[in-house]
Amino acid sequence: EVRLVESGGGLVKPGGSLRLSCAASGFTFSTYSMTWVRQPPGLGLEWVSFISSRSSSAYYADSVKGRFTISRDNDNNSLYLQIDGLRVEDTAFYYCVRGGFGVGLDYWGQGILVTVSS
Amino acid sequence: DIQVTQSPSVMSASVGDRVTITCRASQDITNYLAWFQQKPGKAPQRLIYAASNLQSGVPSRFSGSGSGTEFTLTISSLQPEDFATYYCLQHKSQPLTFGGGTKIEIK
Repeated sequence: EVRLVESGGGLVKPGGSLRLSCAASGFTFSTYSMTWVRQPPGLGLEWVSFISSRSSSAYYADSVKGRFTISRDNDNNSLYLQIDGLRVEDTAFYYCVRGGFGVGLDYWGQGILVTVSS
Repeated sequence: DIQVTQSPSVMSASVGDRVTITCRASQDITNYLAWFQQKPGKAPQRLIYAASNLQSGVPSRFSGSGSGTEFTLTISSLQPEDFATYYCLQHKSQPLTFGGGTKIEIK
């Protein structure tokens, strides 16, 4: 069974940093590209970032470029999102999702809430 | 960037109704389109992939059609558990873009 479990969310002040983690299991993690998607409470879904299976390619939404860094550790079946320079508008549920452009998105984690507030 | 316009944003429907949701892409995405269902407090779940393929385990009352720039999700006979929000997603190119969502409410 494919499982994606996010952790690392919480309440942060504007300008602060967080590192989100996603523990993957139930599939060969190293052969799949991975994606982060976010959703502000009560609003729609927004693609945030993509990383290829071997970390050779990474892409970011314009709204997070220069502040967010996606990475992965294939030896430990883990995906990460380093979030710096947090803004109030970054408040959202962040989902770890298997897949990316071309292949599509299939399995989603349960999501983790990041709240940015003073 | 490819824009995806989803309609309607809200619909009121009754159990047993046939429901259709539409997504239009701003350029040809062939069949790189998926549909997701999201219930309150839960992560989205994929219903349809490659525009018209039913995800394993999803009831056959759900179907998808279309190609190029126009796509539809149809629920042939709405069930109580189908009251939720639905999103389309184009994944032909970066950045991936979602439709704005369609919330199906009980009439």
